[in-house]
Amino acid sequence: GDSVTQMEGPVTLSEEAFLTINCTYTATGYPSLFWYVQYPGEGLQLLLKATKADDKGSNKGFEATYRKETTSFHLEKGSVQVSDSAVYFCALSDPFDALNFGKGTSLLVTP
Amino acid sequence: ETGVTQSPTHLIKTRGQQVTLRCSSQSGHNTVSWYQQALGQGPQFIFQYYREEENGRGNFPPRFSGLQFPNYSSELNVNALELDDSALYLCASSTGTGGVYEQYFGPGTRLTVT
Repeated sequence: GDSVTQMEGPVTLSEEAFLTINCTYTATGYPSLFWYVQYPGEGLQLLLKATKADDKGSNKGFEATYRKETTSFHLEKGSVQVSDSAVYFCALSDPFDALNFGKGTSLLVTP
Repeated sequence: ETGVTQSPTHLIKTRGQQVTLRCSSQSGHNTVSWYQQALGQGPQFIFQYYREEENGRGNFPPRFSGLQFPNYSSELNVNALELDDSALYLCASSTGTGGVYEQYFGPGTRLTVT
């Protein structure tokens, strides 16, 4: 079945460092891909999405490109802030619109 | 515009009991999906309701059941609670089925089974 694999955390970075969180997927069709963020004690928020190959999703300085040839959707940010500390989930959607999530990557940004 | 709301915020139940969780979808949304998020894990899809009908189900036993009402709010019912049912239960609403429709999540209900 469809699945998402993302890098294990926790990831600890200093403020203004470059962030990459790897995500690869397995799917039989052509899913949409998402990154969600979960701040401590809160529900999930959509960070960005891409619905077809070569699309780039971007929001709040975060970017991810839908790479069909490598089945990847890596999340990047050029300069992280302390406020970016959260758990990040990569996900794909199946034909029912159900989201299939990875296990999450915890990010801690230190001043 | 009111977002997705869930109630209660948290609750504690005993093994073998039954529980009902509630979700109010965002205005204009006709699709509700439920997810279970165990501690330290990603959310797992339980089922989805579209216009009051179940429209897809994940790998959860029949003791997990749901309803969607004419106003598109929804309930998740879990019978015969087990310790492993302890988790954060998330509800998400959207304007349709299919991967292009963004899902908006509520804050979740934290269920603890003792």
